[in-house]
Amino acid sequence: ETGVTQTPRHLVMGMTNKKSLKCEQHLGHNAMYWYKQSAKKPLELMFVYNFKEQTENNSVPSRFSPECPNSSHLFLHLHTLQPEDSALYLCASSQEAGGSEKLFFGSGTQLSVL
Amino acid sequence: GQNIDQPTEMTATEGAIVQINCTYQTSGFNGLFWYQQHAGEAPTFLSYNVLDGLEEKGRFSSFLSRSKGYSYLLLKELQMKDSASYLCAVRDGDYKLSFGAGTTVTVRA
Repeated sequence: ETGVTQTPRHLVMGMTNKKSLKCEQHLGHNAMYWYKQSAKKPLELMFVYNFKEQTENNSVPSRFSPECPNSSHLFLHLHTLQPEDSALYLCASSQEAGGSEKLFFGSGTQLSVL
Repeated sequence: GQNIDQPTEMTATEGAIVQINCTYQTSGFNGLFWYQQHAGEAPTFLSYNVLDGLEEKGRFSSFLSRSKGYSYLLLKELQMKDSASYLCAVRDGDYKLSFGAGTTVTVRA
């Protein structure tokens, strides 16, 4: 148990569907992250939120839309995805962004786009 | 971008020692992390090196040489539960964190 909870664990969606991934951290951290993990590839940083403000968007297509209503919750809204978006989506948190603190990860949502 | 290289796969026998190497080329340096990720689970923090030398934590040790852009993770007295993917990650001069593709370690009886 890392203190970061992601739901759902698995998601299958069609290219025309709209779905949302949810992440919640119980660690009192101020920074939250979305990463994409594809097989045999490095983790790709997608978005960073620091004190609820988006501080980084790593050239992510607009079909991925993040939302951070407070420091404990992070969402990733998905619409009109492509099959190549199938991957494990990991949420992480840290005390603050931009420092040397370690990341705490959730177990991820395994997404399949048909 | 940053360049972080680590072997794709390694296999070792229970009770043995395995060394996972990581080389990196970054613009500046602000620390190197090792994470362990079991299949279907969250990556979990193992170690952090920011100065040259060896950091030991029980059966796991991590080494860093900043001048060589090189680190290794040493797993001693391997156990079956050590079968996992091991991720090397480096913070550059702007504190941006980049990950390697991970090394899958398989421990055999």
